[in-house]
Parts: sequence; C-alpha cells; structure tokens
Amino acid sequence: GEDVEQSLFLSVREGDSSVINCTYTDSSSTYLYWYKQEPGAGLQLLTYIFSNMDMKQDQRLTVLLNKKDKHLSLRIADTQTGDSAIYFCAESVASYDKVIFGPGTSLSVIP
Amino acid sequence: EPEVTQTPSHQVTQMGQEVILRCVPISNHLYFYWYRQILGQKVEFLVSFYNNEISEKSEIFDDQFSVERPDGSNFTLKIRSTKLEDSAMYFCASCILAGGVPYQETQYFGPGTRLLVL
Repeated sequence: GEDVEQSLFLSVREGDSSVINCTYTDSSSTYLYWYKQEPGAGLQLLTYIFSNMDMKQDQRLTVLLNKKDKHLSLRIADTQTGDSAIYFCAESVASYDKVIFGPGTSLSVIP
Repeated sequence: EPEVTQTPSHQVTQMGQEVILRCVPISNHLYFYWYRQILGQKVEFLVSFYNNEISEKSEIFDDQFSVERPDGSNFTLKIRSTKLEDSAMYFCASCILAGGVPYQETQYFGPGTRLLVL
C-alpha cells in the first residue's frame, strides 16, 4: 500500500541549511507536499511539487524530487529558530485524493 | 486568503458520549475531508466527501463515525460513542476540483479540533 517514510529528528545550527529527506512508495503519486506543524498548531502547507518536476524553489525553500528513486527532499536555507517545527512529507495521486502523510521530521534549530 | 475553520478548538468528553465536530470549508470548494492525528503520530486520512456522499473512507472510519453536510456551509464529523482511543486532533480539509486556479488545487486544512476522551 501507500507509505511515506522520513527520518524522525534533525538538529541544525541557526544559519545553516537544513535538509529533510522523504521516500514514498506510490509510483502514481502526482502531488508531493511539505507541511509544517508548530507545537499544538495545525498543518501549514509550505510547498508542493508535481511529479513531472525535478525541482521547485520558493524563497528559502528548495524541493528536489527524484521520481525514479521516489525520493523527495526539502532544503531550508539560512535556518532560523522560527523554523523549529515538525515537517511532514505527504503525497496524493490527485489534488482531491486523500493525502498520505509521513511520520514527520522534528527539526530543532540551535541558536 | 480564504481559510477552513473548525469548532470547537478543544473538546473534552466522557467515554461513550457522542461528539460532533464542525467545519466550515472554503466556500467554493467541492471536496471535503476529515483526518486525525493521535498525539505524537502521523496524520491519518479518515474520509472524503463529494457531491453529498462519501467518496472514500479508511479502515479507521467504522460505523461509529459519520459525516454530514447539513447545509450549504457546514461539514460535520460525528462520533457516536467515543472511545479513549478516539482522543486525537481532528483536521478538516477542503479542496476545489482539479482544474481550478492552480494555487487552490491543493487541500486546505483547518486548524484542528483537539478531542480528549476521558
């Protein structure tokens, strides 16, 4: 069945780049997402990429997609303490299809 | 920017009681969803709803759960007889059909209702 995996923890120093990695199993995934969740808060869609793209850049965020390996990464440049949160990788076959989430990567930014 | 709203933000209930969680999706959206997140775990799909009927549901969405769109704006999740393991954050989401304005094509999530069953 569909599955999304990601490492559970990442710790970086303020100002460094963070790279969060994710793998998924569903080859029919068309939409690949990154969501951010701050403690006790809801889900904030950070960015998403279509499966026919290799890369998407949005200010400090860069998403890379290796469709052959079903590998997705999120790079946050110049990581700030406000970036500390849980980051969920997710996928869906269509925009209106159910979204399958990974377990989340807890990013800690050390001042 | 339009947003999905959910009420209440927190609810505490006794085991065996019925709860209704409410959501107001974005007004021109046509697909509606419920997800849940047990504390410390991943977000799980419960059910999707389109054209006044369930389009897909997960194994979690058993007979204790039901959804309804009672009027043109609200979308509700009812849990008939709550169990301790129903304690979770419940997220509502909505989506315009594909083919809409590109930035609207993804699912928009509400802030969640934290349900605690004692």
